Amino acid sequence: GESVGLHLPTLSVQEGDNSIINCAYSNSASDYFIWYKQESGKGPQFIIDIRSNMDKRQGQRVTVLLNKTVKHLSLQIAATQPGDSAVYFCAEGYNQGGKLIFGQGTELSVKP
Amino acid sequence: DAGVIQSPRHEVTEMGQEVTLRCKPISGHNSLFWYRQTMMRGLELLIYFNNNVPIDDSGMPEDRFSAKMPNASFSTLKIQPSEPRDSAVYFCASSFTGVGEKLFFGSGTQLSVL
Repeated sequence: GESVGLHLPTLSVQEGDNSIINCAYSNSASDYFIWYKQESGKGPQFIIDIRSNMDKRQGQRVTVLLNKTVKHLSLQIAATQPGDSAVYFCAEGYNQGGKLIFGQGTELSVKP
Repeated sequence: DAGVIQSPRHEVTEMGQEVTLRCKPISGHNSLFWYRQTMMRGLELLIYFNNNVPIDDSGMPEDRFSAKMPNASFSTLKIQPSEPRDSAVYFCASSFTGVGEKLFFGSGTQLSVL
């Protein structure tokens, strides 16, 4: 899920399929991870978060998986819908109350 | 709750002019963050405050940028003088530290410096 240059990585899925968006984080000391969804012209919107003492957390239609060994985070969206089309950002943080560092984002496109 | 409120939504100005962006965080939140978003650099943290005190301003690009938080319900980000390379979307976000780092973002200010 890392971008190069001006273009965001893009994931294109068929409506109803499951989506998996990946993210590599940089700081092994990070203890908090979060996914945001950003639609065009809007601010990032919280989706789901996870702390480093967990490997998996589920929400409504979304699941976040954390692999601390390889510093990898993924967001799974079940039964993807056209309304899920957006840019998805992962972010990492450490020291409770501190700042969040965002990844470059992945653009999800859902085909009807 | 109205969420984080930013103004203006859009700002078009000429190079050299002063620009002031405004933010009202969610009531009860004690941390406030200013981010800048561009296609080239993504979401960059400029500065954040905790209990109205600047904690980390290492992301502020240069002395032309300044931010203040005179009270718990208001913050400003000022650019003086503005330059075309400052064109971006500027987001304000707030959170309540102690229950996690989940940030709530405003709708952003689209700044265009001509």
